[in-house]
Amino acid sequence: NAGVTQTPKFQVLKTGQSMTLQCAQDMNHNSMYWYRQDPGMGLRLIYYSASEGTTDKGEVPNGYNVSRLNKREFSLRLESAAPSQTSVYFCASSEQALSMNTEAFFGQGTRLTVV
Amino acid sequence: DAKTTQPPSMDCAEGRAANLPCNHSTISGNEYVYWYRQIHSQGPQYIIHGLKNNETNEMASLIITEDRKSSTLILPHATLRDTAVYYCIVRSWNSGNTPLVFGKGTRLSVIA
Repeated sequence: NAGVTQTPKFQVLKTGQSMTLQCAQDMNHNSMYWYRQDPGMGLRLIYYSASEGTTDKGEVPNGYNVSRLNKREFSLRLESAAPSQTSVYFCASSEQALSMNTEAFFGQGTRLTVV
Repeated sequence: DAKTTQPPSMDCAEGRAANLPCNHSTISGNEYVYWYRQIHSQGPQYIIHGLKNNETNEMASLIITEDRKSSTLILPHATLRDTAVYYCIVRSWNSGNTPLVFGKGTRLSVIA
């Protein structure tokens, strides 16, 4: 049982390049999330998907797009990378968005540098 | 969801109890208190949550004051591996699709 798996773990991009960060969970969770974390800061929500087929913007969605490919997978795409998007990206999942006893499970992060 | 206030950093001697405070003075009746931690370079990890009663699990204890305006996370015997940033999050059970919102947390340093 791997939990939440993110790929790649590290990536360096040139300004203007595009890439997709992949996330998959094997816990049959309904809800999935993408966060970014800048040095010395807390996590900020980029996008989330409360259930398969739905996506919603979080606190910092500009410059990103997401796709909830199926129940297991939730990808984050940078269409034209900028240095300001240099960050560590975390994917997370939870059983239900509405459950009072929901806990979120996080992946190990993708460290992205845009030069 | 109510806002939380945590000290930016704390130290604790190895083997001693670590008591991490959180203020949530605007908490409402249907809001839970959640604690997560983030060990350096790793994804956040769920620790514990509670509504009004004190809670204990294999990782920690959560003490919530009677008026629910503050809480304390207790790591009974801190080890070096407990060095991490600890996040206190208040969330309503009927937040709908609103996911977790993380503040800056408390950086706990466990010292040998």
